[in-house]
Amino acid sequence: EVQLVESGGGLVQPGGSLRLSCAASGFTFSSNSMNWVRQAPGKGLEWVSYISGSSSTIYYADSVKGRFTISRDNAKNSLYLEMNSLRVEDTAVYYCASSDWFDPWGQGTLVTVSS
Amino acid sequence: QAVLTQPSSLSASPGASASLTCTLRSGINVGTYRIYWYQQKPGSPPQYLLRYKSDSDKHQGSGVPSRFSGSKDASANAGILLISGLQSEDEADYYCMIWHSSASVFGGGTKLTVL
Repeated sequence: EVQLVESGGGLVQPGGSLRLSCAASGFTFSSNSMNWVRQAPGKGLEWVSYISGSSSTIYYADSVKGRFTISRDNAKNSLYLEMNSLRVEDTAVYYCASSDWFDPWGQGTLVTVSS
Repeated sequence: QAVLTQPSSLSASPGASASLTCTLRSGINVGTYRIYWYQQKPGSPPQYLLRYKSDSDKHQGSGVPSRFSGSKDASANAGILLISGLQSEDEADYYCMIWHSSASVFGGGTKLTVL
């Protein structure tokens, strides 16, 4: 069964940092690009970042560029999102999603940025 | 102006058909893009439904019923998700997505009510 499981969310103060992880299983992780997508409470979907299977290509949304870093460890079948200089507006459920067509998605992990 | 615009809500009756539109910003030609569609029910992550660029370039998500289909209206510069034979379980939020200028862009979503 293809599965993605996010972890690492929590409550952090503005200006703080957090590292999210996404554990993949049930497919050849290294062959698939991966994405992070977030959803603020009661709002729509916002793409955050993309990384190719070999990590050779990386893209970021303008809203997180320079603050967030996406990475992956194919030996561990894991995807990461390092988030620095967090803002209140970064509060959201963060999902990892596999491939260029975002299938499948994990269950998400909640990040709350608040003082 | 947003890259992708979706009506915020749509209502339809059980058994009827619903046509959900995703309009591309002026200057972005719908004919050159693959449009991806996702369904999200409350408390759950989004699920990939299908991809449509043309009748020769389309993909149905695994397990997605054939009553979900994609098309385009070139005159309106829009992608369309058609759901036929509406069922109560189709009540959900629906999002379109494209890859544009090395970034993934989601529409604001349409809340479909089946009543």
